Amino acid sequence: EPEVTQTPSHQVTQMGQEVILRCVPISNHLYFYWYRQILGQKVEFLVSFYNNEISEKSEIFDDQFSVERPDGSNFTLKIRSTKLEDSAMYFCASILTGGPAGSRGYTFGSGTRLTVV
Amino acid sequence: GENVEQHPSTLSVQEGDSAVIKCTYSDSASNYFPWYKQELGKGPQLIIDIRSNVGEKKDQRIAVTLNKTAKHFSLHITETQPEDSAVYFCAALRQGGSEKLVFGKGTKLTVNP
Repeated sequence: EPEVTQTPSHQVTQMGQEVILRCVPISNHLYFYWYRQILGQKVEFLVSFYNNEISEKSEIFDDQFSVERPDGSNFTLKIRSTKLEDSAMYFCASILTGGPAGSRGYTFGSGTRLTVV
Repeated sequence: GENVEQHPSTLSVQEGDSAVIKCTYSDSASNYFPWYKQELGKGPQLIIDIRSNVGEKKDQRIAVTLNKTAKHFSLHITETQPEDSAVYFCAALRQGGSEKLVFGKGTKLTVNP
């Protein structure tokens, strides 16, 4: 079964450092997402990406965050200057298409645990 | 924006008993309601979903009900087994936009043998 792959599985970084979280979505999917889950809290939407541009972003996704699809396979989340409160599990997800047919195909990666010290 | 509330936050049952998890949503335009199971170290996995034009859906031991008027939906697991132990999330989505999911806080289900 096709998978969404995320690397690394765990990243520890110092406050103020830049981090890049990497994702390889399912190859024929067209919509890409980043979600995050602070320990013990709900999974929160960060950003959606379609047709090589951001289609929606949440209030959390401020100027410190950016996303990129540098080639046909990778989808990255960059945090420019990490803060302690950025410590969370970050999930990448993708779907083939919008609408009823696409929603069922929401596939999540296993996540990257980011720890900012 | 959409807000999804989920209860209870923890649920402990004996093997063979039923488990019920309830969610409410605020945006009447939401029209797709999936349930995800999250095991330790893994991402959420879809276990069942329901669309707003359906009131109930069943898949073996798992069922979901939706009350659009009251804006709530529930997950029912019958004949629970220890391998059902996990964190379960409900979510809501409004199709036609960015297709983002809005999640509940999760329910940690423990099935005791």
